[in-house]
Amino acid sequence: DGGITQSPKYLFRKEGQNVTLSCEQNLNHDAMYWYRQDPGQGLRLIYYSQIVNDFQKGDIAEGYSVSREKKESFPLTVTSAQKNPTAFYLCASSMEPDAKNIQYFGAGTRLSVL
Amino acid sequence: AQSVTQPDIHITVSEGASLELRCNYSYGATPYLFWYVQSPGQGLQLLLKYFSGDTLVQGIKGFEAEFKRSQSSFNLRKPSVHWSDAAEYFCAVPKAAGNKLTFGGGTRVLVKP
Repeated sequence: DGGITQSPKYLFRKEGQNVTLSCEQNLNHDAMYWYRQDPGQGLRLIYYSQIVNDFQKGDIAEGYSVSREKKESFPLTVTSAQKNPTAFYLCASSMEPDAKNIQYFGAGTRLSVL
Repeated sequence: AQSVTQPDIHITVSEGASLELRCNYSYGATPYLFWYVQSPGQGLQLLLKYFSGDTLVQGIKGFEAEFKRSQSSFNLRKPSVHWSDAAEYFCAVPKAAGNKLTFGGGTRVLVKP
């Protein structure tokens, strides 16, 4: 089955710790995205990548980092600089980074702070 | 800057009743428009999309939406809701460069038996 796999489903972060959220897609899509979801605020874009080995900051990139070394993988690291990391994180992909391309979403990772 | 507004944070509807969710956008040109649905603790699923042409678009699960340029709106409707329609619904507009989606704040729909 083609799709987007996010892992883990739940993640806990200790004070001062970096944690990495995994996102893998087998749809052969060029573009990948990370969104953060907080209650009542919709989804906000953290980072996006239009092609392998390239990525750009979204609206709320501070305290986060990403890499895109492989077409199918786009991991997100929540660093200790992110002071309020508790949220639901969603990864998405689209065939091309063009507005007519539908974004497909993974099932999400819920991050909480211990 | 483009923006998307969903005025209703929560809507409660009885099973079998009709449903309408509002979406207003602010955009320089005629935008592409999407409606997504999110079940609790899950990712988002595309319900329908509008690119151009017929302003009434049909989607999955019996949903439809109407684009009204004069009102900058793209409201989502369903004639008769089912208990399984209880979810959160998001309206979204993509930016052409990079296909970055701007989302509304979402409307949570509760369905009463």
